[in-house]
Amino acid sequence: RKEVEQDPGPFNVPEGATVAFNCTYSNSASQSFFWYRQDCRKEPKLLMSVYSSGNEDGRFTAQLNRASQYISLLIRDSKLSDSATYLCVVTPSGGYNKLIFGAGTRLAVHP
Amino acid sequence: EAGVAQSPRYKIIEKRQSVAFWCNPISGHATLYWYQQILGQGPKLLIQFQNNGVVDDSQLPKDRFSAERLKGVDSTLKIQPAKLEDSAVYLCASSRDSSGSKNIQYFGAGTRLSVL
Repeated sequence: RKEVEQDPGPFNVPEGATVAFNCTYSNSASQSFFWYRQDCRKEPKLLMSVYSSGNEDGRFTAQLNRASQYISLLIRDSKLSDSATYLCVVTPSGGYNKLIFGAGTRLAVHP
Repeated sequence: EAGVAQSPRYKIIEKRQSVAFWCNPISGHATLYWYQQILGQGPKLLIQFQNNGVVDDSQLPKDRFSAERLKGVDSTLKIQPAKLEDSAVYLCASSRDSSGSKNIQYFGAGTRLSVL
């Protein structure tokens, strides 16, 4: 079983749509959780951290359910510029800030 | 603030040849990471340096891959000899430190390696 699993997509949605991505992780001792965004042929960039209390950044909302080992990302009012691959990332226990990436979910927003 | 610099951007070699990649982290960042990203997959950590010491190389294929970070700044990653399955993007990242969970990793643009 992969440490971090995501639906690969692609998700094809029209502008203005709401889209949700899900992610599960296998190590219950994982400490930190993130969503990264990766544009085609570019490097990954941190989109947002994920907390159990949920957090929101503009049109983006992230949620963590530690009991179910489940992470979600909700994008409201999708823009063309949101088209990218969204990577679910966890940090295992034990320090050293190691990142474990999922394979990513591809989003394509069309006019 | 300058970002993480990597070179070359692209490299094409034949199998069994050698190749080296270079990375210059963000100034003042103590921790440097090398990741391998195969097409369709997420990045996978190969090796992590704290200053000039290795803290994690558990997924580095040590029979063919080597990395160093002399003087705790720049780093090089070498593959010798390359195999077809080494075709990937090699990403370098750096963070201010490795302690604590809130250290953000900043990635370079990567080196795209094709092994023929």
